[in-house]
Amino acid sequence: EAAVTQSPRNKVAVTGGKVTLSCNQTNNHNNMYWYRQDTGHGLRLIHYSYGAGSTEKGDIPDGYKASRPSQENFSLILELATPSQTSVYFCASGDAETLYFGSGTRLTVL
Amino acid sequence: QEKVQQSPESLIVPEGAMSSLNCTFSNSASQSIWWYQQHPGKGPEALISIFSNGNKKEGRLTVYLNRASLHVSLHIRDSQPSDSAVYLCAVIGTGGYKVVFGSGTRLLVSP
Repeated sequence: EAAVTQSPRNKVAVTGGKVTLSCNQTNNHNNMYWYRQDTGHGLRLIHYSYGAGSTEKGDIPDGYKASRPSQENFSLILELATPSQTSVYFCASGDAETLYFGSGTRLTVL
Repeated sequence: QEKVQQSPESLIVPEGAMSSLNCTFSNSASQSIWWYQQHPGKGPEALISIFSNGNKKEGRLTVYLNRASLHVSLHIRDSQPSDSAVYLCAVIGTGGYKVVFGSGTRLLVSP
């Protein structure tokens, strides 16, 4: 069964601090995605990748960096966290058709 | 960039009724359109997809696509309380990599 694991599940960070959200997939999918979900906005695409070593900007990339060091791992990095980045973050992997999501990371920036 | 809009924002139907959800998208050349279901505290799960104009049925679900009007709809027959969730419409862009979601419809099926 497809499996996407996100860590941590919950994170509290301070304004100006660095935050790294991690995602691991065991599906051997080429494509991976980072979304954030906020009330009224649905899922918004931050960054995506179509293979190890590649990262592409999504619709709201400002303030975020991404890293895809291997087929299995895709990280989202907030170098200088701000309260506006408080949200639920979802990672997904995909086979060009279906996306398989992790359970999400709830990030609170104080 | 691709735009995906869903309506209504929320929907309440009695158990056993038909639930109808709508989605419009901005690019007629988009590839497949997907519907995802999301329960509270969980990640979205894929339900059904459609690529060609017309309709597609899977169990109690029917999807209709009209590319000319940039419209897709999801219909859930004999709605059950377990169908209560947020339903997300997703469009795969022409490059095949970028997947854009709408803001969702919150469905509540009352017993």
